[in-house]
Amino acid sequence: EPEVTQTPSHQVTQMGQEVILRCVPISNHLYFYWYRQILGQKVEFLVSFYNNEISEKSEIFDDQFSVERPDGSNFTLKIRSTKLEDSAMYFCASSVTGPTDYGYTFGSGTRLTVV
Amino acid sequence: KQEVTQIPAALSVPEGENLVLNCSFTDSAIYNLQWFRQDPGKGLTSLLLIQSSQREQTSGRLNASLDKSSGRSTLYIAASQPGDSATYLCAVPDYNDMRFGAGTRLTVKP
Repeated sequence: EPEVTQTPSHQVTQMGQEVILRCVPISNHLYFYWYRQILGQKVEFLVSFYNNEISEKSEIFDDQFSVERPDGSNFTLKIRSTKLEDSAMYFCASSVTGPTDYGYTFGSGTRLTVV
Repeated sequence: KQEVTQIPAALSVPEGENLVLNCSFTDSAIYNLQWFRQDPGKGLTSLLLIQSSQREQTSGRLNASLDKSSGRSTLYIAASQPGDSATYLCAVPDYNDMRFGAGTRLTVKP
């Protein structure tokens, strides 16, 4: 069964450093997403991406965050200057037609620890 | 904005029991509802996707029902096993994203 692949599985970074989280969505999917889950809390929406641009973003997704699809397969989330409160699991997801028809497929996540 | 609530927050049952997990949502104009399983520290595995036109969806020992008009869905797990121990999340679309409940943490004791 097709998978969404995320790397790395775990990243530790110092406060103030930049990190890039990488995702390879399912190849025929057109919609891409980033979500995060702070330990013990709900899964929260960050951003959706379609047709090479952001289609929606949450209030969490401020100027320190950016997303990019640098080639035909990768989808990245960059955090410019990490803060302690950015420590969380970050999930990438993709879907064929958006959330309305086939649901989402999630990756296994990247655990980001900011120290 | 859509709000999703899951009850109970935690559930502990002996092996072999049938159980029901509940999910409610505030805006009944949904396209679908998706149930996920999350093991500790791991990703989200899709269990069932139930479309708004469906009332039920089944996969093995799992059965999800949807009542749009009342804003509710249930996930029924038959003959529970210790391997079913995990957190179960429901999620509904909200414009361009999905809204998640906080999950039900299930423990099945041998």
